[in-house]
Amino acid sequence: QKEVEQDPGPLSVPEGAIVSLNCTYSNSAFQYFMWYRQYSRKGPELLMYTYSSGNKEDGRFTAQVDKSSKYISLFIRDSQPSDSATYLCAMSGAGNQFYFGTGTSLTVIP
Amino acid sequence: EAQVTQNPRYLITVTGKKLTVTCSQNMNHEYMSWYRQDPGLGLRQIYYSMNVEVTDKGDVPEGYKVSRKEKRNFPLILESPSPNQTSLYFCASSLRVAGELFFGEGSRLTVL
Repeated sequence: QKEVEQDPGPLSVPEGAIVSLNCTYSNSAFQYFMWYRQYSRKGPELLMYTYSSGNKEDGRFTAQVDKSSKYISLFIRDSQPSDSATYLCAMSGAGNQFYFGTGTSLTVIP
Repeated sequence: EAQVTQNPRYLITVTGKKLTVTCSQNMNHEYMSWYRQDPGLGLRQIYYSMNVEVTDKGDVPEGYKVSRKEKRNFPLILESPSPNQTSLYFCASSLRVAGELFFGEGSRLTVL
């Protein structure tokens, strides 16, 4: 079983839609949860960073962590064509390694 | 400008010809790591370093070597590349363990 599972998509939505991206994980020791955005031919860049359970909001982006269900989500409100990218979830525990999902490809259609 | 710089960005080589991918960061970060990204497999950690002269294996270290002689540099060495090492490689750094990772632009390596 993989440490982190993420639906690869692809996901295609109209501009202005609410997008929901999700990951599940198996290691209960994970405490740090991240979402990265990766544009084509670029390195990933951090979007959201949360510690333990709960919600975090930053502009149009909301990250949710449910440790009891081992489930994390990223919501994008009022999606824009510039949001078209691959979204990667990532997790880390007390150790020194990060574990990434395989990424979900998102296209926002104008 | 804060950045992680990798070179070369693109490389085509042949089986067995030793190569080095350089990585340098200008943010005085303690933690550096290397990943490979493959379709359907996502980002997988190859090696990481907590500080100068401190390195450790990630999930897929076979066929790779690293060194951390200076804080800013963390080269990835392929002593005898094989076709299964054809991949997109990313170097990343972080101020602290489990902190925000800053990624380089990637190095696309093809081994024939």
